[in-house]
Amino acid sequence: EVQLVESGGGLVKPGGSLRLSCAASGFTFSNAWMSWVRQAPGKGLEWVGRIKSKTDGGTTDYAAPVKGRFTISRDDSKNTLYLQMNSLKTEDTAVYYCTTIQVTMVRGVGGMDVWGQGTTVTVSS
Amino acid sequence: DIQMTQSPSSLSASVGDRVTITCRASQSISSYLNWYQQKPGKAPKLLIYAASSLQSGVPSRFSGSGSGTDFTLTISSLQPEDFATYYCQQSYSTPPIFGQGTKLEIK
Repeated sequence: EVQLVESGGGLVKPGGSLRLSCAASGFTFSNAWMSWVRQAPGKGLEWVGRIKSKTDGGTTDYAAPVKGRFTISRDDSKNTLYLQMNSLKTEDTAVYYCTTIQVTMVRGVGGMDVWGQGTTVTVSS
Repeated sequence: DIQMTQSPSSLSASVGDRVTITCRASQSISSYLNWYQQKPGKAPKLLIYAASSLQSGVPSRFSGSGSGTDFTLTISSLQPEDFATYYCQQSYSTPPIFGQGTKLEIK
């Protein structure tokens, strides 16, 4: 069964740091492009960032609100995706989801087809 | 950045109704448009990718159409389990922006 399981969420003070993990199983993680998406309480979905597979360069992209504060990385030997969050702000409070991204030679980048259950991050003093 | 605008923001309908949700991109995105369904407290689920391709396991009452800037998600005959919030998302360029969502409620 294809599965993503996030962990590492919690309560942190403004200015603090937190690292989220996403454990993948049931598919070849090293070939997958992965992303983080968040959802603030009562709000819509917001893309946080993406990391390509190492075969495709392993590069990362970030949304403007988190660029310079958040870092996405991957450990293909552990089938795990990470989101390092520094200098956290109250507006970073959200449920954070990791997802796989469809990528094909023919269609290019598609939708986010597998989602974890989410982990909650609360930034508050 | 490409902006995505969904309409309506909310919609009331009855079981058995045909429902259409619209998504408009601020510039052409070809067919790089995806649709998701999200139920309260749950992760989103991919329904449609590449504007009109049905994701595996998704019922055939869901369909998508459009290209360029204008897209639609249609549910041919609403079922009780379809009451949820629906999001479009463009995958044409980075950042892959989501629409603001359409909440589909029971009339």
